[in-house]
Amino acid sequence: ETGVTQTPRHLVMGMTNKKSLKCEQHLGHNAMYWYKQSAKKPLELMFVYNFKEQTENNSVPSRFSPECPNSSHLFLHLHTLQPEDSALYLCASSQRTGEIGEKLFFGSGTQLSVL
Amino acid sequence: SQQGEEDPQALSIQEGENATMNCSYKTSINNLQWYRQNSGRGLVHLILIRSNEREKHSGRLRVTLDTSKKSSSLLITASRAADTASYFCAGALSGYALNFGKGTSLLVTP
Repeated sequence: ETGVTQTPRHLVMGMTNKKSLKCEQHLGHNAMYWYKQSAKKPLELMFVYNFKEQTENNSVPSRFSPECPNSSHLFLHLHTLQPEDSALYLCASSQRTGEIGEKLFFGSGTQLSVL
Repeated sequence: SQQGEEDPQALSIQEGENATMNCSYKTSINNLQWYRQNSGRGLVHLILIRSNEREKHSGRLRVTLDTSKKSSSLLITASRAADTASYFCAGALSGYALNFGKGTSLLVTP
């Protein structure tokens, strides 16, 4: 166990559905991240939250809406997704020590299929 | 943008052999990290090497860094079937978030 828990593990949704992915970290970290992993592509950084404030949005379409109510929880709200959004969505956290390029702790991911 | 690029894309070896994976990156980095991912799971941090270090060891892992060539290598010695996974290098392009490559898929057969 990495101390980062993601739910659900698998999600199948239609293009008109609204769903949310949840991430919780028990490590006392101050930064949380969403990454997208598609087949045969590099991991794509989507969002970064630092002390609950969004510090990076990597040109992610508005159909993905992140929420970080506190340093331990991170959500990714999904609506009107496209089939090409099917991927493994990974949450990660880091301590935020101030060092550039911190060690990340990842959850097991949510495997999303959009039909 | 992609910061690390691993080579080869896929590697197949037998148990007991050594596995070497390479990583090239485009811009200056503060540190370079290697991660491992088992199929369908999250990534697990293996080792971090700072820009002022040339070599680092952790158990059966040996990482080298050549900042003049913007490259790094990961050596796994005496590989085991349990080492079968994808391996990623990552560096910080800017800010604090890491940028990953596509990974090297390693298969270790008994």
